[in-house]
Amino acid sequence: AAGVIQSPRHLIKEKRETATLKCYPIPRHDTVYWYQQGPGQDPQFLISFYEKMQSDKGSIPDRFSAQQFSDYHSELNMSSLELGDSALYFCASSLGIEQYFGPGTRLTVT
Amino acid sequence: SQQGEEDPQALSIQEGENATMNCSYKTSINNLQWYRQNSGRGLVHLILIRSNEREKHSGRLRVTLDTSKKSSSLLITASRAADTASYFCATDEGGSEKLVFGKGTKLTVNP
Repeated sequence: AAGVIQSPRHLIKEKRETATLKCYPIPRHDTVYWYQQGPGQDPQFLISFYEKMQSDKGSIPDRFSAQQFSDYHSELNMSSLELGDSALYFCASSLGIEQYFGPGTRLTVT
Repeated sequence: SQQGEEDPQALSIQEGENATMNCSYKTSINNLQWYRQNSGRGLVHLILIRSNEREKHSGRLRVTLDTSKKSSSLLITASRAADTASYFCATDEGGSEKLVFGKGTKLTVNP
């Protein structure tokens, strides 16, 4: 069965640079979620989209933005990167209650 | 915001033993989900239990939910070394779609 695809899997950036993370949800899933998991931490909700419209927002810094495109894939844009942005970023998709997570993008900011 | 609290934070057992992890939460929920995460990797959905359910089984997994105590437990029976992972509970805080995760229990199953 198709799963959530995230790219890239690993990303190394320097402080103040920008990064774009991509997420391809499971086909026919209409909702996409983004989560951030710091080292040794639990995942924290960032933002979600339902049918290409932002549906909920969590602790997402103003330096971050996201959108969902007509083909339902989503991108998380991160600017002015800080060392503290180093984390595992997960995308999840759902058609109902259960959320299915992608493998994550490990972002390292140096 | 933090919703679920896992207990214990770490658990080390021998293969064949049962492992029980507990989760407590603060607000009302519609459902509670358990996820597994191998070190630094993706979250794998294990089981979902709705607020009107008290117990649910899936293979070697047994989940209970006590909404009066705002707590849930995950039991893994006849554990295997491959069960070594971190286990998180996640709730839909106040019925919203976003998941609020607990801190997780790190389970180590020794061969």
